[in-house]
Amino acid sequence: AQSVTQPDIHITVSEGASLELRCNYSYGATPYLFWYVQSPGQGLQLLLKYFSGDTLVQGIKGFEAEFKRSQSSFNLRKPSVHWSDAAEYFCAVGTSGNTPLVFGKGTRLSVIA
Amino acid sequence: GAGVSQTPSNKVTEKGKYVELRCDPISGHTALYWYRQSLGQGPEFLIYFQGTGAADDSGLPNDRFFAVRPEGSVSTLKIQRTERGDSAVYLCASSLRLAGGHTDTQYFGPGTRLTVL
Repeated sequence: AQSVTQPDIHITVSEGASLELRCNYSYGATPYLFWYVQSPGQGLQLLLKYFSGDTLVQGIKGFEAEFKRSQSSFNLRKPSVHWSDAAEYFCAVGTSGNTPLVFGKGTRLSVIA
Repeated sequence: GAGVSQTPSNKVTEKGKYVELRCDPISGHTALYWYRQSLGQGPEFLIYFQGTGAADDSGLPNDRFFAVRPEGSVSTLKIQRTERGDSAVYLCASSLRLAGGHTDTQYFGPGTRLTVL
């Protein structure tokens, strides 16, 4: 069965600083990987996804993530954080055939001035 | 276009009561998913529909939980004899079914916050 680990429960960064959120997954075959963002009281919004091909994927709002099979990781990065990026971030793994996603427990991002 | 919608946005009920939560998927999406998100946790899978039939209901916690999708569009999650532990945000998502066994992005609704007193 698949699993996802997000080691950091809470991260605080200064506005304008770079950001990296960690995600490790466990799955025997090639995974489908996703990053979602959830603002307070809101649903989940897709930031980016990896299905195949180029291991560096670009998403919305200036985010990118890199799939590293050797490390079973799919870390999310942003070069310069904005105060509006403060939210909860979830990494998720799926398999082929429209199967349900398995989510990590999330990382809460706080942005300070 | 319109996204996934869920009603009600908030539901407060008393222990032992019956509740229904509704999900309207994106038009044309054949796959529909229900997840439950407890405080401080990521969403956890409950049940998944492909068309009208439940393709996987292995995430339903017990027989008090049931979901239907009679016409392959709108879905209703039904909880009988609610318990305080059922309090959570219930999320619905939908996706296209792609050919060749590939998977498509799941688009989430805003959720229904259920509080059982």
